[in-house]
Parts: sequence; structure tokens; C-alpha cells
Amino acid sequence: EPEVTQTPSHQVTQMGQEVILRCVPISNHLYFYWYRQILGQKVEFLVSFYNNEISEKSEIFDDQFSVERPDGSNFTLKIRSTKLEDSAMYFCASSRDGQRNEKLFFGSGTQLSVL
Amino acid sequence: DQQVKQNSPSLSVQEGRISILNCDYTNSMFDYFLWYKKYPAEGPTFLISISSIKDKNEDGRFTVFLNKSAKHLSLHIVPSQPGDSAVYFCAASEGQGAQKLVFGQGTRLTINP
Repeated sequence: EPEVTQTPSHQVTQMGQEVILRCVPISNHLYFYWYRQILGQKVEFLVSFYNNEISEKSEIFDDQFSVERPDGSNFTLKIRSTKLEDSAMYFCASSRDGQRNEKLFFGSGTQLSVL
Repeated sequence: DQQVKQNSPSLSVQEGRISILNCDYTNSMFDYFLWYKKYPAEGPTFLISISSIKDKNEDGRFTVFLNKSAKHLSLHIVPSQPGDSAVYFCAASEGQGAQKLVFGQGTRLTINP
């Protein structure tokens, strides 16, 4: 089965530094997402992206966050100035057409640790 | 934010028996519900879903039941197999935000041989 690929699997950074988390969604998918899970907490929606623009975002997704599809295959999440509370597992996901009966395919995640 | 709640953090079931995982929600606008399974070091994997116009959906060993009046859904796994040991997440969405999923905390299911 096709899969969503995320790199790196682990990222350690100093507070205040910028990080970019990378994802390669499934090739024929058109909708892309970032979710995150802080240790011991729920998986939370961050942002959805379609047709090169954000379609929806949560209150977590403030000005420190941005997403981009720089080429035909990658989808990135940038955190401009990381805070301790940004430490979490970040999951990228994609779906074919964004309809409710379409499965979300998740990547294995990037564990971000902010020191 | 407790819109979707899974009250049992863990569940242990004998192989071959039925596993029942429960989920409650508070937002009456939710109209689509899903179950995801997650193994360690992997992302969540879609298992089964149900629309609010139905009260049951079945896929092989997995059945999801929806009780809208009680704002409750459950996942039944029959028979349970050791490979079913994982964390199970209930999720919900509403209307146009179809893929903006609201997740529960998860239930760790352990199937004992």
C-alpha cells in the first residue's frame, strides 16, 4: 500500500530555533494535513492544505507555524521560533479528495524535542 | 477540550474473545465518526468509519455501533487476535470540516494469548 513518508523521524532543537519538518504525501493525493500529539495527550489537528493554500487551521496554528508545498512532492511544516511546548510527535497525513469517506493516511511521525 | 472522550485508557482481552472499545462525544454537530489503530513508532491507521445516518457499520471482524441519542459509539472486534494489540483512537468530524478530525485520548488494547 502507498504510504506517507516523514523525515526526520527525530529532531532535536534548541528553543528559539527554526525547524522544518518534511513530508512526502501519497502521489495522487490532493489534500494534506499536519496533526500533532504532545506526550500523554490527544492527537490534535493543526492545519489542512489544498490547492496550494491553507483550507483550515486550528487555534494552535499561530503565526509561528507555516506550511508549504515547495515542489510537486514535498509538504513541509515550519516552526519559526520553537518553544518548549512545541515538543510533540508531528504527523503528516494526506487524502485523495478531502471527502469524509476518504481515508486519511498518516505518516509515522517526526518526534520533535525542543530543549 | 473533551469533545471526544475514551474513558478506558487500557483494555485487556483474551485471544478469540470479543473486544469492545467505547467512545463518547459531546458535540452534537459531529456527523462522521472513525476509528484509527496505532502501533508504536507508526502513524494512526484508518480502521472503520460510520456516518451519523447509520447506526452500524461492519467490516470483517470490526463493527462500529453508533447511538446518537446517547452520543456514544463503540468498536467491536470479534474474534480478537494478538495482532489487534495496539492503541485505538476514536475520532469525529462535522460538516465541511470533514477531515479536521477531533480525536479521543486512545485506549490501549492488549490481546492475551
